[in-house]
Amino acid sequence: KAGVTQTPRYLIKTRGQQVTLSCSPISGHRSVSWYQQTPGQGLQFLFEYFSETQRNKGNFPGRFSGRQFSNSRSEMNVSTLELGDSALYLCASSFGGGGETQYFGPGTRLLVL
Amino acid sequence: GQQVMQIPQYQHVQEGEDFTTYCNSSTTLSNIQWYKQRPGGHPVFLIQLVKSGEVKKQKRLTFQFGEAKKNSSLHITATQTTDVGTYFCAGVTGNQFYFGTGTSLTVIP
Repeated sequence: KAGVTQTPRYLIKTRGQQVTLSCSPISGHRSVSWYQQTPGQGLQFLFEYFSETQRNKGNFPGRFSGRQFSNSRSEMNVSTLELGDSALYLCASSFGGGGETQYFGPGTRLLVL
Repeated sequence: GQQVMQIPQYQHVQEGEDFTTYCNSSTTLSNIQWYKQRPGGHPVFLIQLVKSGEVKKQKRLTFQFGEAKKNSSLHITATQTTDVGTYFCAGVTGNQFYFGTGTSLTVIP
C-alpha cells in the first residue's frame, strides 16, 4: 500500500497570503488528522476529519481550516499567514480514527517571510 | 485541560549507554502510543499499550504503561547510533490524541 502523501513538500509564502496544503491518506483510511510541528512546541493537534466531517478540533485560531473530500483526501487552509505559522505541517491517517495508530505523511514545510 | 508531559526534553548518551524517556498525563488514558521521528523525517509508530501495568519489548526497547494508566516510559538498552531521533508519546483519551513534547536523543559514537 502506498503511504500517506502530502503536497507540496516545501512552500514559501509572505505574510498576509493564504495557503492550501493537501494530504492523501493510505487507501481505505477514512480519518485524517493534521498537526503543526515547530521546534519549541512539538506536535500540536489542529483537527481531525472523518467521513468528510470535522470530528475534533485543536486550539488554533479560525485562520486554520480544513476539509475532507469523499475520497478521504483532505486539505488544510491557512489564511492571512503570520510569521509564526512557519512550521512543518503533518497529516496522519488511520482507518477509523478514535485513537487508532496514526500513519504520518512526510509533511509540508511552510516558511512565511 | 488534558496535558501530556514528557521528560527529558533532550538526552545525550554515549553509544552503549541506556536511555529512558518518561511520559505523564494529567488524566487517565485509554491507551498510549509511542512514535519515533528521525531527524528530517516524520513520526513513525512504534507501539501501543492498552492495559494497566502493561510491559512490551521490541528488541532493545522496553515500553511500560503505569498501573493508573497515567504514565508510561520507554527504555532503550545499550543505545546505538541508529536510535538517534525524537521519541514522542501520545496519550489517547476519548477519541483524541495528546502528544507529549518529545525527547530528542543524541547518541555519541
